[in-house]
Amino acid sequence: SQKIEQNSEALNIQEGKTATLTCNYTNYSPAYLQWYRQDPGRGPVFLLLIRENEKEKRKERLKVTFDTTLKQSLFHITASQPADSATYLCALGTSSNTGKLIFGQGTTLQVKP
Amino acid sequence: DAGITQSPRHKVTETGTPVTLRCHQTENHRYMYWYRQDPGHGLRLIHYSYGVKDTDKGEVSDGYSVSRSKTEDFLLTLESATSSQTSVYFCANAPGTGASLAGNTDTQYFGPGTRLTVL
Repeated sequence: SQKIEQNSEALNIQEGKTATLTCNYTNYSPAYLQWYRQDPGRGPVFLLLIRENEKEKRKERLKVTFDTTLKQSLFHITASQPADSATYLCALGTSSNTGKLIFGQGTTLQVKP
Repeated sequence: DAGITQSPRHKVTETGTPVTLRCHQTENHRYMYWYRQDPGHGLRLIHYSYGVKDTDKGEVSDGYSVSRSKTEDFLLTLESATSSQTSVYFCANAPGTGASLAGNTDTQYFGPGTRLTVL
């Protein structure tokens, strides 16, 4: 069956360290993958998009990798700050025109000062 | 947030009553989506729309219907609410201009959510 897995346990790290979040999927062939940030009581906010033919994308302190062989995406936040504390969602998209996304459950990141 | 508002923001209702949630956008984006978010399940797509009067089912559409009579409004209706429909409901939109060989890769912009409790 199709499945998207993100670490269900919260990730706790110290300020200044690099946070690495994992998104694994099975029985999907995504054309692209997006990462979103969600703060408590609010809707998700888009962060980064990476396509299947791209290995890595960067935006400021954020970096995303996409390995279609391993069926995995890694999301990195370098020099993490307490303000980065939130839940991060990965979402897979297929090569259709609907723009439909399949979301993972999200991983909660807590950055301690 | 692409100008999305949802109403109501909170609602408590009883089993068996009809409920309609409204999503309103100011950007005239082509695509609109309704999701529900539950602990342990993440965001799941209920229905989506790719234009006025054009809608289709998502992953968890049973018990829900939608309508889009105007570009700016996308309504989600629970004909007869059940306790299993207690959830947080999010509306999202996307411009529909991100088409490429990889399909439509548009960013989705989410509303603030509606917390629905069915007693």
